Amino acid sequence: DTGVSQDPRHKITKRGQNVTFRCDPISEHNRLYWYRQTLGQGPEFLTYFQNEAQLEKSRLLSDRFSAERPKGSFSTLEIQRTEQGDSAMYLCASRGQVNEKLFFGSGTQLSVL
Amino acid sequence: GEDVEQSLFLSVREGDSSVINCTYTDSSSTYLYWYKQEPGAGLQLLTYIFSNMDMKQDQRLTVLLNKKDKHLSLRIADTQTGDSAIYFCAEAPMNSGYSTLTFGKGTMLLVSP
Repeated sequence: DTGVSQDPRHKITKRGQNVTFRCDPISEHNRLYWYRQTLGQGPEFLTYFQNEAQLEKSRLLSDRFSAERPKGSFSTLEIQRTEQGDSAMYLCASRGQVNEKLFFGSGTQLSVL
Repeated sequence: GEDVEQSLFLSVREGDSSVINCTYTDSSSTYLYWYKQEPGAGLQLLTYIFSNMDMKQDQRLTVLLNKKDKHLSLRIADTQTGDSAIYFCAEAPMNSGYSTLTFGKGTMLLVSP
């Protein structure tokens, strides 16, 4: 257990539905990251928060995706109007300073039917 | 663009040494990382090396860095069946402010008894 918690562990949804995932980082970490991992691939960067500010977003993050970190602690990632191509493992990670270790949660596995 | 390349598969016998190789593209990366992922789990940081180092040893793990060739390797001594997993190499490129990691596609290590 790295100390980064993600909920739920698994989510099955029908195409067109909205889903929301939650990440609780290690408490003293002010940097929080979302990554997406599809089968046979490495994790791909989606977005990054420093405290409550969303500092960077990947081109992978389409308009249907939105992430928040309202109080600089936990974060949510919402996908609207899900598509089958959204099926993936969504990983959250956190760290304190830029040069510190990045700790990953166990991920939320999304299956869109 | 940034592409981290790894061989896809490695098979060894228990007790042998395993060497997993990686090439990266961004010479400005200051930190290079090795992560381990077991089936259905998140990523576990194994070790990392700072770009001004050539080698780092941590118990059974040895990381070698050839900055000139942008080549990174992970050697696991006395490989055990519990080492079977996917191993990811990752770099933190300057154009992301060193804040985000770019991962390879992973090398699946299979250790047979």
